[in-house]
Formats: sequence, structure tokens, C-alpha cells
Amino acid sequence: EIVLTQSPGTLSLSPGERATLSCRASQTVTSAYLAWYQQKPGQAPRLLIYGASSRATGIPDRFSGSGSRTDFTLTISRLEPEDFAVYYCQQYSSSPRTFGQGTKVAIK
Amino acid sequence: QVHLVESGGGVVQPGRSLTLSCAASGFTFSNAMHWVRQAPGKGLEWVTVVSSDGRNKYYTDSVKGRFTISRDNSKNTLYLEMNSLRPEDTAIYYCARAGEYGDYLAHWGQGTLVTVSS
Repeated sequence: EIVLTQSPGTLSLSPGERATLSCRASQTVTSAYLAWYQQKPGQAPRLLIYGASSRATGIPDRFSGSGSRTDFTLTISRLEPEDFAVYYCQQYSSSPRTFGQGTKVAIK
Repeated sequence: QVHLVESGGGVVQPGRSLTLSCAASGFTFSNAMHWVRQAPGKGLEWVTVVSSDGRNKYYTDSVKGRFTISRDNSKNTLYLEMNSLRPEDTAIYYCARAGEYGDYLAHWGQGTLVTVSS
């Protein structure tokens, strides 16, 4: 099983600042089969990034993903008020599919 | 527009069974389909996936032998049969559709709450 470790647990930032979220895998995620999701309180998760770096339909270009093998990053270039939420990474290169434990982006 | 609606959640006693449904609309029901759960106040946990033709199924270890995923492509519906339920199965259960370019979770339902308690 691939274990995903996200850091930091909480990121306290102000609107307009840059957010950098990390996702580290316990073994290589083949073919960069790594996705990122955003979840707001009381809502279902929403796909942001797939294939490590491809934005899903309708996702603003302030969201970007990068990385390969065991180290992946989600960057939000300039935080908007609606971006304060919990973010999860997920690998889909092997079963069981696994999620990281999440990073909360909180308003400072 | 892709629309996924889960149903069948509720309160059930430990050891009993429950079956969840996920009705799909707005797309050709030909992608792999997943169930993901989220315990109260916790993170996301992937549960199971079924291939487009229903033949291939994978489960997380904690539900193997207790949960069964299935689909009826003629009814555009996904199912999750849950047996021998435990208090630790208490969660919101989401169904999700795989993406066009890989097995990421492109579209999610709103979830249905399952509470296992005596």
C-alpha cells in the first residue's frame, strides 16, 4: 500500500498569499497518477488536479500541480477567499487507492 | 451535466447489513465507479472500485469480505452492499466517477451518512 503524507497539517495564510502544499509518497507513484482534491465544510470533495499537473475542467489557473515519483506539490499562486479549505492528495497508480491525511488552508 | 445521487444511508446496529445506491445521470455510465468514505471529522478513505463492465473489483483491506460493490449499467446505478457492519464503518459514503484520462475521482455525489450504533 502506498502511504501518502501531506504537510503541513495546517497552513495559515492571508488572501493574496501563495500556498504551497506537499504530498510525499512511501513509494513511487507510477505515471504520475496523483490527484488533488479540495473539500469545503459540509461539501463533497472536488477534483482540482489529475496526472500530477493537469487542471480539471473549470479549475482556475491559480491552482497548479507538480512533481513526480514520490514528491508532489500543489501550489495556489494567490489565495482567494473561496480557497480556504482542506486539500487532499490521492494516488491512483495501485490498489488500494490511498489519500493523504489532508492539509487545511486557514485564514490567518 | 454529471449528477450522482447516493441513497440508502441510515442508522444500523452493529453486525447488521445495509445497501447503498448511487444513481447516475448526465453521462454515459461507462467509467469505473468508486466508493469513498469519510468518518465524522476525519479525512477521506477510499473504499472500493468497480470497472466499467463490473468484472473487476478492488477493496480496501478493512472491508474485504464484508462489503460488495456492484453496478447495473442498464439502470445507471452503483451499489454498495455492506454486511457485518462495525461502529468504525460510521461515515459519510460518497460515490464517485472515474475520469476520462485515468482512475482519478472526477465527479462526486453529495454523500449519504451511515451510522453504526446500538
